[in-house]
Amino acid sequence: DAGVIQSPRHEVTEMGQEVTLRCKPISGHDYLFWYRQTMMRGLELLIYFNNNVPIDDSGMPEDRFSAKMPNASFSTLKIQPSEPRDSAVYFCASRPTGGRSPLHFGNGTRLTVT
Amino acid sequence: EDQVTQSPEALRLQEGESSSLNCSYTVSGLRGLFWYRQDPGKGPEFLFTLYSAGEEKEKERLKATLTKKESFLHITAPKPEDSATYLCAVQASGSARQLTFGSGTQLTVLP
Repeated sequence: DAGVIQSPRHEVTEMGQEVTLRCKPISGHDYLFWYRQTMMRGLELLIYFNNNVPIDDSGMPEDRFSAKMPNASFSTLKIQPSEPRDSAVYFCASRPTGGRSPLHFGNGTRLTVT
Repeated sequence: EDQVTQSPEALRLQEGESSSLNCSYTVSGLRGLFWYRQDPGKGPEFLFTLYSAGEEKEKERLKATLTKKESFLHITAPKPEDSATYLCAVQASGSARQLTFGSGTQLTVLP
């Protein structure tokens, strides 16, 4: 299995621009999570989906952030408009059904907003 | 609110010098405690899951143990390739799908 695939690996954009991050979970995994990692706050859960349905988006920092999962093999995280404080590494993770199954992470997208 | 505290923040060891990393947690009913390894530029990689106090898991030079308040990751005779950031996370019984992560211990093993 190729694992969780994220794109792009790096994104540099100017403040005010729209940014779209993409994720392909592991086939057969019906839970998908978006995390953000910074030096100050560590790994923070932004939102997660079950069977393509958003279950908990309480970690999404503001209305500027939105996430979709149109099908079982694709999810996007969009920031519009972006701000310098959004600079971080964004991780996507997936896992199968089974509450104790570990998360499998992608290699992240490093976002820099100037 | 679930809380996870890892110590030390950073640890430098000589090759072969055994040590332990600590993960203290506060959670309303532990469903599972997870250890991950993260290399620079990569996502966290799963190592172990522990479910109940007294449980131990081993993998190569690593052994994870669990009590009711903390977990230890013991590293025996480490090698430079063990250098990474080690993350601990807890899953509470009331939130079956969310993990709360600690801030990690950055381990450097010198040859």
